[in-house]
Amino acid sequence: DTEVTQTPKHLVMGMTNKKSLKCEQHMGHRAMYWYKQKAKKPPELMFVYSYEKLSINESVPSRFSPECPNSSLLNLHLHALQPEDSALYLCASSPDRNSGNTIYFGEGSWLTVV
Amino acid sequence: DAKTTQPTSMDCAEGRAANLPCNHSTISGNEYVYWYRQIHSQGPQYIIHGLKNNETNEMASLIITEDRKSSTLILPHATLRDTAVYYCIVRVAEYGNKLVFGAGTILRVKS
Repeated sequence: DTEVTQTPKHLVMGMTNKKSLKCEQHMGHRAMYWYKQKAKKPPELMFVYSYEKLSINESVPSRFSPECPNSSLLNLHLHALQPEDSALYLCASSPDRNSGNTIYFGEGSWLTVV
Repeated sequence: DAKTTQPTSMDCAEGRAANLPCNHSTISGNEYVYWYRQIHSQGPQYIIHGLKNNETNEMASLIITEDRKSSTLILPHATLRDTAVYYCIVRVAEYGNKLVFGAGTILRVKS
């Protein structure tokens, strides 16, 4: 089982709303990732968590706030977003951050900011 | 950050082998080569990875040159469902082993 589950699959939010994207894996993985993908572009790394601690933040604006409440869950809290933040948000996980360990992706959450 | 070069697009006839090249001339000795693909509107799908030796699994084969400066992903019998963007990625130790996507190759399988 290499399943990473993301909810919701689609989200429409206003610029003043607060919402969250959720990601779950039950593979015992200790590294989890958030990527952002704009249309016709490759995925871009946003955050990396390792053993529930934030280890990489790719200079992401503070309106995106990640949270890793336990080893199976990863959230991305959204507040005061802009229309240009509309994108596919991908969650991924791997056993740990060693380069020989495969990273598995979820199907993503489509976010539209209006 | 991407350390790889891939052709922008390729076509392949259905049922034939698809050979997707990737150049990674600055790869270091302990850096893995990964291949993912992304079918429209879906999350990236892991295909295969390797360090030095050639690798094969149920999806594909990965051929890495002896000097490790290039590799080829082989889909032995391409089907229409293999039409996707294929990403060749080197995980760089100095960048924390991040998975950094380049532009990838658009593979179109045609009947």
